[in-house]
Amino acid sequence: EAGVAQSPRYKIIEKRQSVAFWCNPISGHATLYWYQQILGQGPKLLIQFQNNGVVDDSQLPKDRFSAERLKGVDSTLKIQPAKLEDSAVYLCASSFGSDRGRYNEQFFGPGTRLTVL
Amino acid sequence: AQSVAQPEDQVNVAEGNPLTVKCTYSVSGNPYLFWYVQYPNRGLQFLLKYITGDNLVKGSYGFEAEFNKSQTSFHLKKPSALVSDSALYFCAVRVRGSGTYKYIFGTGTRLKVLA
Repeated sequence: EAGVAQSPRYKIIEKRQSVAFWCNPISGHATLYWYQQILGQGPKLLIQFQNNGVVDDSQLPKDRFSAERLKGVDSTLKIQPAKLEDSAVYLCASSFGSDRGRYNEQFFGPGTRLTVL
Repeated sequence: AQSVAQPEDQVNVAEGNPLTVKCTYSVSGNPYLFWYVQYPNRGLQFLLKYITGDNLVKGSYGFEAEFNKSQTSFHLKKPSALVSDSALYFCAVRVRGSGTYKYIFGTGTRLKVLA
């Protein structure tokens, strides 16, 4: 079974530039998550999709971050414009999705390391 | 507020010795608890989970974790550490969000196993 794919693996940009990250979840997984992991911290949920709908984006800085999952499969996370404090690893994860309260573990991609200069 | 705490930034243990990585939680209701491991330049890998039932949960690579409801803890353990266990370990809890479930992660504990 193929895992969660992410690209690029590394990205270096200057502040005020734009950047986009791509994620392809495991086939059949309805739920997709984007996390931000700042060095020395645990992953922080940015946005969660159930199929192509957003179910939680309460911690997404909407003035500069946006994400979409148009066909309910792969997803793109964009930052525009980037700030120095956006330097982090951006992790994508997927799961089968909540179903009447049953737990479904998350599977993580390798992440994209973003450096903003 | 619902949260997960990992009180130790780093744990050092000699190879062959038992290891414990601590995790405490604060959530309402019955918690779903997890441990993940992260190796350098890799994503998080699932180790084990507690949903219900036996308080001692066994997972991948010989790891186990003990759920203690009275102490609101879910410590990760292994009877005999290997150098290859050196990595970053995260405890997480699933909580009810707005219309769905979401996961809260601890800050991580770096495990260093010394040869």
